[in-house]
Amino acid sequence: VQLVESGGGLVQSGGSLRLSCAASGLTFSGYWMHWVRQAPGKGLVWISQISPNGDRSTYADSVRGRITVSRDNAKNTVYLQMNSLSAEDSAVYYCARGYQWGCDYWGQGTLVTVSS
Amino acid sequence: QSALSQPPSVSGSPGQTVTISCTGTSSDIGSYNSVSWYQQSPGTAPKLMLHEFSIRPSGVPDRFSGSKSGNTASLTISGLQAEDEADYYCSSHTTTSTYVFGTGTKVTVL
Repeated sequence: VQLVESGGGLVQSGGSLRLSCAASGLTFSGYWMHWVRQAPGKGLVWISQISPNGDRSTYADSVRGRITVSRDNAKNTVYLQMNSLSAEDSAVYYCARGYQWGCDYWGQGTLVTVSS
Repeated sequence: QSALSQPPSVSGSPGQTVTISCTGTSSDIGSYNSVSWYQQSPGTAPKLMLHEFSIRPSGVPDRFSGSKSGNTASLTISGLQAEDEADYYCSSHTTTSTYVFGTGTKVTVL
């Protein structure tokens, strides 16, 4: 039972990155999926969620307009497209499965570093 | 959306009881029974400890409990154990259909 994020790395300021989160061993298609980030030494910050069939999504104010969440239920994968990246976006990005107003399964995270 | 307010740190000796508060507004904690609590140890992903204020997922010890009063939620750890030393975060759904986390609390077992 796991969620595995990928796609992180080093990107220049103003650049773009697409993160993926692949689910295995757990039910994926019937659940909201979330993205949460954590800058080094800092707290958790919720950034986005997407509905089970992908028709609804919401975003934190800090990323709205620059980040797009999507999913492919056939591939058990959720994506996070990030554009116009700045140093403030440097963080570990976690995907998590929504459960009863919380998140019950989390990936191990993928590190995004934005260089200026 | 501003982060929910938590004390930076709490501490207690083994066997003692500690309580972590999580203060929000009428736009988040005050509007829904949707507060969750997470435990995070260094270098690891968060772990869900409570959802809907006080419901423990399978496998979470019953020494973890939660409550709510107005715009404030609380996590209580009874019979504190060394393995409970970690960072704890609250989270709430909001009236704008987003979520917000708390600022985090470091629990130290003396």
